[in-house]
Amino acid sequence: AQTVTQSQPEMSVQEAETVTLSCTYDTSESDYYLFWYKQPPSRQMILVIRQEAYKQQNATENRFSVNFQKAAKSFSLKISDSQLGDAAMYFCAYRRGEGSQGNLIFGKGTKLSVKP
Amino acid sequence: DAGITQSPRYKITETGRQVTLMCHQTWSHSYMFWYRQDLGHGLRLIYYSAAADITDKGEVPDGYVVSRSKTENFPLTLESATRSQTSVYFCASSRVPYNEQFFGPGTRLTVL
Repeated sequence: AQTVTQSQPEMSVQEAETVTLSCTYDTSESDYYLFWYKQPPSRQMILVIRQEAYKQQNATENRFSVNFQKAAKSFSLKISDSQLGDAAMYFCAYRRGEGSQGNLIFGKGTKLSVKP
Repeated sequence: DAGITQSPRYKITETGRQVTLMCHQTWSHSYMFWYRQDLGHGLRLIYYSAAADITDKGEVPDGYVVSRSKTENFPLTLESATRSQTSVYFCASSRVPYNEQFFGPGTRLTVL
């Protein structure tokens, strides 16, 4: 069975600085997708970034980028120029590729605090 | 465009009562999912549906029932609520299984 591990229950970053959240996963599949979701205090789950396993290039979305190391099964999220609005729970998630039922497997989350 | 909505947003009930959580999406997405979120566990899949009248169990289905008579609705029923079902419940949908999943705002359920 696939598993997703986030080893940092809590992280803290100074406003305008850079922070990296860690995620590792375990799978025997070759076709899969990886995601980072943000959950602010409003509870809404917001997709931050996604990565297709077949793509070697790391995904980027504005201040958010990932370091995808397929052989190491590692998928870290880097937030540059951190803002107060980035404070939230961040969840790493895995999904099998085509032919799967499509459900996401989540890590337990990392709570990110941003200090002014 | 409402997207995906859940009702109620908050619910308090007692042990043994039946509770139904509603989920409605306006995109005509084929795939819908129910997750529960508990401290220390992240989100876990309860049930999912690939289309109307097609449902299947996820990781933690015990004590829950789902139905999907219409594409846009995917209600989750707790037939006899237990304290261990106190949680935040999220509904999600996607057009196809490997596309982005869009989440509803969640329902916080407390079972006393």
